[in-house]
Amino acid sequence: DAMVIQNPRYQVTQFGKPVTLSCSQTLNHNVMYWYQQKSSQAPKLLFHYYDKDFNNEADTPDNFQSRRPNTSFCFLDIRSPGLGDAAMYLCATSSLTSGRADTQYFGPGTRLTVL
Amino acid sequence: EDQVTQSPEALRLQEGESSSLNCSYTVSGLRGLFWYRQDPGKGPEFLFTLYSAGEEKEKERLKATLTKKESFLHITAPKPEDSATYLCAVFNDYKLSFGAGTTVTVRA
Repeated sequence: DAMVIQNPRYQVTQFGKPVTLSCSQTLNHNVMYWYQQKSSQAPKLLFHYYDKDFNNEADTPDNFQSRRPNTSFCFLDIRSPGLGDAAMYLCATSSLTSGRADTQYFGPGTRLTVL
Repeated sequence: EDQVTQSPEALRLQEGESSSLNCSYTVSGLRGLFWYRQDPGKGPEFLFTLYSAGEEKEKERLKATLTKKESFLHITAPKPEDSATYLCAVFNDYKLSFGAGTTVTVRA
């Protein structure tokens, strides 16, 4: 019944070693989001895809990139992780329509540790 | 810029002791206010969406209400399994802006 799946659930990487996090969805939603959440803080939007259109938040570091090869999958690439990038990374999806806001459904998250 | 402030930061309740969580917001053109529950180490789980002032929604022991400046999440006769962090978020344009959450601990 899983709707938004994230892999791996836990990822350990070394300082500066590139890492890729994966998200897939079975909801056929047209929008996919990546959030970063640090301990006891609010989730912070990094970027989102509206269909194939990539939208970066102004304050998202260049170190973070994303790919969406098809409707179901989205990847978060961290090119050179620093200690400050250790966090929970959350993927979410929604079916964005004009007018009312549609619900965003979140995956279980990937906990990234940087050594 | 959208702002969402939740209070209190933490709330400790005895089982059966009802209470309310507050979410105050500043947004130009609210298109929806969302409540999520987040358990430690997990992703947020959707609870409610409220779209206009005066709207109320209920689910089991939870009830969410909305005014033009704030939303309340009322927990009636909580149980230990209601222990979690409750996140409020406003939707404007294309994205959710979250508050930092209220961590609720319910003791048996």
